[in-house]
Amino acid sequence: EAGVTQFPSHSVIEKGQTVTLRCDPISGHDNLYWYRRVMGKEIKFLLHFVKESKQDESGMPNNRFLAERTGGTYSTLKVQPAELEDSGVYFCASSPYLGSQGTFYEQYFGPGTRLTVT
Amino acid sequence: AQSVTQLGSHVSVSEGALVLLRCNYSSSVPPYLFWYVQYPNQGLQLLLKYTTGATLVKGINGFEAEFKKSETSFHLTKPSAHMSDAAEYFCAVSTHSGSARQLTFGSGTQLTVLP
Repeated sequence: EAGVTQFPSHSVIEKGQTVTLRCDPISGHDNLYWYRRVMGKEIKFLLHFVKESKQDESGMPNNRFLAERTGGTYSTLKVQPAELEDSGVYFCASSPYLGSQGTFYEQYFGPGTRLTVT
Repeated sequence: AQSVTQLGSHVSVSEGALVLLRCNYSSSVPPYLFWYVQYPNQGLQLLLKYTTGATLVKGINGFEAEFKKSETSFHLTKPSAHMSDAAEYFCAVSTHSGSARQLTFGSGTQLTVLP
């Protein structure tokens, strides 16, 4: 079974440019999460999709970030325009459907996309 | 609100020595607790988790952790370090309730194993 994949693995862009990160979750996983780790800091939650719907986007830093999940499959995270403070590693994770009783399921993480804004 | 504190951003141990990575959490509701490991150029991998039941949990690669509610701690241990254990380790907390199960992470501990 393929794991969570992310593309690209690295991206270097100039301030003001646009970058789109992609995440392909494990097939059949309804839950998809985006996290970010800024250099030297903790990994922070950005948002959570259940299928194609945004369940929680409380961690999105500002309106320069736009996440989508087309058809409940892969997800994209667009940063437009990028700023220096957006540099960091962006992780995607997925997990199966939680169920009505909120059954626990592990989140499976991708390798991350390292974004550098110069 | 939840938070996680990992004491020591860098820990060095000799091969064969005890590994102890400290994690304290804050949560207003009963937590789920996790340890993840990240090897170079790889994603986060779940080492072990506490959800309910036995407070001493065993994970992969000989690691274990004990949930101590009174101390709000979930320290990670391994009796004998191996060179392959060198990696960054993250403690995380999540909640039982609600449909959003995002993880709140500590700042990570880089483990170095000395020959």
